[in-house]
Amino acid sequence: AQSVTQLGSHVSVSEGALVLLRCNYSSSVPPYLFWYVQYPNQGLQLLLKYTSAATLVKGINGFEAEFKKSETSFHLTKPSAHMSDAAEYFCAVSLSGNTGKLIFGQGTTLQVKP
Amino acid sequence: GAGVSQSPSNKVTEKGKDVELRCDPISGHTALYWYRQSLGQGLEFLIYFQGNSAPDKSGLPSDRFSAERTGGSVSTLTIQRTQQEDSAVYLCASSLTLAPGQYFGPGTRLTVT
Repeated sequence: AQSVTQLGSHVSVSEGALVLLRCNYSSSVPPYLFWYVQYPNQGLQLLLKYTSAATLVKGINGFEAEFKKSETSFHLTKPSAHMSDAAEYFCAVSLSGNTGKLIFGQGTTLQVKP
Repeated sequence: GAGVSQSPSNKVTEKGKDVELRCDPISGHTALYWYRQSLGQGLEFLIYFQGNSAPDKSGLPSDRFSAERTGGSVSTLTIQRTQQEDSAVYLCASSLTLAPGQYFGPGTRLTVT
């Protein structure tokens, strides 16, 4: 069965510091992987997606993620945090590409300190 | 075009009442999904529609929950005899069949008193 584990329910960084949000997945077949961001009282916004093409995926707002099959990981990074990055981030996996349900991790709340 | 829209944005209902939540997907998107977000359970898949295929109802938590999609567009999620544990944010998403990535609406916050 598929599953997603996000290590760390809360991550705090200083403005300008590196952001690293961790995601590990479990899947018996090659997965499609996604990162979503949720700002308070809003829906989820797609940040980036891995669909078996390039293993380094660039997304919106300066975020990127690298698919590492050997580590079953898909960690999200951003070189320099902005105050506006403070939000909740969800990693998700799908086995059936676009036409299947998403299995979400529990989410990581990112706090950015001035 | 517009994104996914959901109505109402907030719904407060009494325990035992029925509620209907509406989702308008992005125009042209053939796949439509319902998820539930609650503090205790995180984000959970509920049901998925794809074109004219039978929906995937594997995530519906009980037979009090049902959903339909009319004309391949608008969808309604119905919860009968609401319980307090149904209180959550209900999120709808849509996608193109061949383009990975689901696009979410703002959600409906349901509170059962």
